[in-house]
Amino acid sequence: KQEVTQIPAALSVPEGENLVLNCSFTDSAIYNLQWFRQDPGKGLTSLLLIQSSQREQTSGRLNASLDKSSGRSTLYIAASQPGDSATYLCAGSGNTPLVFGKGTRLSVIA
Amino acid sequence: EAEVAQSPRYKITEKSQAVAFWCDPISGHATLYWYRQILGQGPELLVQFQDESVVDDSQLPKDRFSAERLKGVDSTLKIQPAELGDSAMYLCASSLFGTGRTEAFFGQGTRLTVV
Repeated sequence: KQEVTQIPAALSVPEGENLVLNCSFTDSAIYNLQWFRQDPGKGLTSLLLIQSSQREQTSGRLNASLDKSSGRSTLYIAASQPGDSATYLCAGSGNTPLVFGKGTRLSVIA
Repeated sequence: EAEVAQSPRYKITEKSQAVAFWCDPISGHATLYWYRQILGQGPELLVQFQDESVVDDSQLPKDRFSAERLKGVDSTLKIQPAELGDSAMYLCASSLFGTGRTEAFFGQGTRLTVV
């Protein structure tokens, strides 16, 4: 059974810093690894999708990497802004639908 | 831009009452998922549909929860009777194909409070 862990649970950084969010999964037989953003009381917004044949994906200031052999994915946020404050969730899918971690709550302080 | 639509956005109900949530997936998406998210936790799958058929409902509390997708398009999730522990965010998602091979898109969710 796939289990997804996210570290740290919460992170507070000053504006402008580059930061890395970590995600680890137990079953390397995944098809996709998705990163989502969730604002308080809202639904999930898909940020990046990394397919199993890929190593990384980039969108603007965001870069996500996937290492299936080590069971890890990272989300890199460059030049963080207060508007990046949210909870970031990673989820892996394989023969089963998306299995989520508990998320990392990010606060970017102006 | 195509979106997954959910209603209502918020629902307050008394325990032992019935409550229903509605979801309209992105047009053309064959797979529809209902997830439940307790505050501070990640979403957990309740049920997965492929067209009108249930693919996985192993985590659905079937004594009180039911889900249907009669025409393979929109879907309804029902709770009867609601319990205090059902207070959570209920999220609907859809994808083009199933088994996690394609990107999943989520709606804005329904926040349920049972009092």
